[in-house]
Amino acid sequence: AQKITQTQPGMFVQEKEAVTLDCTYDTSDPSYGLFWYKQPSSGEMIFLIYQGSYDQQNATEGRYSLNFQKARKSANLVISASQLGDSAMYFCAMRVPGANSKLTFGKGITLSVRP
Amino acid sequence: KAGVTQTPRYLIKTRGQQVTLSCSPISGHRSVSWYQQTPGQGLQFLFEYFSETQRNKGNFPGRFSGRQFSNSRSEMNVSTLELGDSALYLCASSLVVHSSSPLHFGNGTRLTVT
Repeated sequence: AQKITQTQPGMFVQEKEAVTLDCTYDTSDPSYGLFWYKQPSSGEMIFLIYQGSYDQQNATEGRYSLNFQKARKSANLVISASQLGDSAMYFCAMRVPGANSKLTFGKGITLSVRP
Repeated sequence: KAGVTQTPRYLIKTRGQQVTLSCSPISGHRSVSWYQQTPGQGLQFLFEYFSETQRNKGNFPGRFSGRQFSNSRSEMNVSTLELGDSALYLCASSLVVHSSSPLHFGNGTRLTVT
């Protein structure tokens, strides 16, 4: 079974600073995909970034980067130059291949950006 | 390109009633998944469809059912509603069913059962 752990309580960051949101995962499958999503108060889940288990380099998408440490089973999201609009819930998720695969989510982390 | 469209956005129903939620995926996407989100349980997987076939089902009672049509649009039905069914129901679509294929979510349908 797959498991995603996000244990940070609410996070606060000053506008224009960088912030790291932690995510650890557990799976016995050597092949998997890791995803981060953002959910503003409006409710929509917005896909941010993807990292494959066999990817040699950390994924980056604009101000988002994924600090992938495979041996430690961690996939932390780094947001650079925080903006007020980054205030939201952030979810880490994982999917493994197979007939019964599904996207498994962590509990999420609330990020508040202070002006 | 239009995103995933869910209707209605809000629903208020009474215990014992049934409800149908609708989801139109991104054009060209053939896979549709449904998730239930509550403050207590977080995001829980309901089902996934690909080309009108249910590929996977979560651990929900039989009152929860779904289907996918030939145009990839999907519906989810909940019969005999209970108070605990109050939640945000999220639909997501993807091009293919693969561990590298991200799901793209709609705005959700917020269901309140009284």
